[in-house]
Amino acid sequence: KAGVTQTPRYLIKTRGQQVTLSCSPISGHRSVSWYQQTPGQGLQFLFEYFSETQRNKGNFPGRFSGRQFSNSRSEMNVSTLELGDSALYLCASKAGEYYEQYFGPGTRLTVT
Amino acid sequence: KQEVTQIPAALSVPEGENLVLNCSFTDSAIYNLQWFRQDPGKGLTSLLLIQSSQREQTSGRLNASLDKSSGRSTLYIAASQPGDSATYLCAVSARASGSRLTFGEGTQLTVNP
Repeated sequence: KAGVTQTPRYLIKTRGQQVTLSCSPISGHRSVSWYQQTPGQGLQFLFEYFSETQRNKGNFPGRFSGRQFSNSRSEMNVSTLELGDSALYLCASKAGEYYEQYFGPGTRLTVT
Repeated sequence: KQEVTQIPAALSVPEGENLVLNCSFTDSAIYNLQWFRQDPGKGLTSLLLIQSSQREQTSGRLNASLDKSSGRSTLYIAASQPGDSATYLCAVSARASGSRLTFGEGTQLTVNP
């Protein structure tokens, strides 16, 4: 069974631009969560989608948004990029409430 | 607000040593606790998941325990190997927050040959 995949793996953007990251969960997993990892703040929860609905949201500004498609694939979008948005963005999927979360390799975003 | 703390922040041991990593959390109303390892610049690899009703889980040389009442978990690594060198993270999922994981800062482990 294929693991969680994320594309692209690396991105370089300029301040003020927007970016879209993609995540394909493990087949059969309907829950997809997104996390931001930075050296200063560690791993922070962005949001979770389940069956195309946002089920939970972390403390990030409205510039961070996401969506989930009917095939459970998810995208997150960051608008008006800031230097502080440079981070490793990780996506995770799980099969159900009591199951473990599996993470993808991440997308390394650098904002210049 | 749930807070997760991991001690020590860094650990360096000789190959073959048994070691214990510690994780503590402030709110005992958790669904489960999960241990991960992260290699530099990579994603997270799930090691063990302990449900709130369980006391421990084992996988190979790894054993994780959970004491929900005291808000603590330990990850025991037996007969450490250089390939175990990585950052180990614990994360808890609270009842009220669904799949949201709250992570500790991690323990950076170096196993010297």
